[in-house]
Amino acid sequence: NAGVTQTPKFRVLKTGQSMTLLCAQDMNHEYMYWYRQDPGMGLRLIHYSVGEGTTAKGEVPDGYNVSRLKKQNFLLGLESAAPSQTSVYFCASSYRGQGHGYTFGSGTRLTVV
Amino acid sequence: LAKTTQPISMDSYEGQEVNITCSHNNIATNDYITWYQQFPSQGPRFIIQGYKTKVTNEVASLFIPADRKSSTLSLPRVSLSDTAVYYCLVGLPGRDDKIIFGKGTRLHILP
Repeated sequence: NAGVTQTPKFRVLKTGQSMTLLCAQDMNHEYMYWYRQDPGMGLRLIHYSVGEGTTAKGEVPDGYNVSRLKKQNFLLGLESAAPSQTSVYFCASSYRGQGHGYTFGSGTRLTVV
Repeated sequence: LAKTTQPISMDSYEGQEVNITCSHNNIATNDYITWYQQFPSQGPRFIIQGYKTKVTNEVASLFIPADRKSSTLSLPRVSLSDTAVYYCLVGLPGRDDKIIFGKGTRLHILP
């Protein structure tokens, strides 16, 4: 099993450009999440999904949109990138219940110039 | 959701046992405690999860006192490769929709 796969791994954008980050999981997890991590900071939740066709806002949702059209995929979109969105983005998924934690992807390093 | 407090950083030496304590004074009755490890340029990795008393796996032990207002992650005989950031979380993925990661504890193992 691949677990959680994020594409791309690196990307440089110019201010105002748009892009979509893709997260795919093959564990049949119901829940999926997008986090961002800035230097010296913990992970901050952007958006999350509790199932196919659902999305909800996290701690820092402004400037981002998400979609979960298929259970295994969770897309994060930046409509008009800003330098403040320079960060490392992590996708995670989880199963419900005891004994299960989050499984994270390896991250996407995004630089907006 | 329960808030957690951890030391910002810790140093230790190879071969030592390291204990990282997390405070969670407002933990709810049904909350579980989970610890994650994060290496540079990688996503966090699940280490251990517990509800009460003691849990042990091949990587670490988790000690939870009877009042459950704190927990201690114990790493036996650390090596340089244990240098990482460790996060303590309270709640349960799949039940608590948006568990918040704090800044974690930056553990630095010295030779």
